[in-house]
Amino acid sequence: DSGVTQTPKHLITATGQRVTLRCSPRSGDLSVYWYQQSLDQGLQFLIQYYNGEERAKGNILERFSAQQFPDLHSELNLSSLELGDSALYFCASTPQLAEGDTQYFGPGTRLTVL
Amino acid sequence: AQKITQTQPGMFVQEKEAVTLDCTYDTSDQSYGLFWYKQPSSGEMIFLIYQGSYDEQNATEGRYSLNFQKARKSANLVISASQLGDSAMYFCAMREVHTGGFKTIFGAGTRLFVKA
Repeated sequence: DSGVTQTPKHLITATGQRVTLRCSPRSGDLSVYWYQQSLDQGLQFLIQYYNGEERAKGNILERFSAQQFPDLHSELNLSSLELGDSALYFCASTPQLAEGDTQYFGPGTRLTVL
Repeated sequence: AQKITQTQPGMFVQEKEAVTLDCTYDTSDQSYGLFWYKQPSSGEMIFLIYQGSYDEQNATEGRYSLNFQKARKSANLVISASQLGDSAMYFCAMREVHTGGFKTIFGAGTRLFVKA
């Protein structure tokens, strides 16, 4: 158990819908990262937050947005869902912003868009 | 552009033998971090080992060691004394500074099969 929690574990929804994925980092970790893992694109970095502020952005679609709240949990919002958004979404956390910080991953949320 | 290449889609190894999983990277940055993660069939991502670009010694963590050759831009993972539980997908990753934070890119992965 990495100490990072993600809910829900599974999510099945229809095209055009909107969903929210939730992540609670390890106790004391200030930074949260979101990743998408799909069969065709592999593991893709989406976005990073540190202490409530967005710090780095990767291949995140405009239909996707995220935020980190004062209690440090983070949410990833996916809207106007398409079939291709079906993937495993991971959240990871690190204590600070040091390059050598190990990212500990949550168990992931498996999103299926029908 | 930053890139991680894992050229071995699948590898077989006999139980108790050592195996090397290849990883090459491309970056123009001087400071970066290299990581290996294991993803079993259950899906979770498990951190294995880290090597900083300025570390002169190869990293080791138990049965895992990282063969870091900076000039060749390679960061191969060596697993000694393979166990059946090592059968999994293995990802090489590189973290770089990116606009005030860090961006991590992953390779396509190598699926390791350990034979009894």
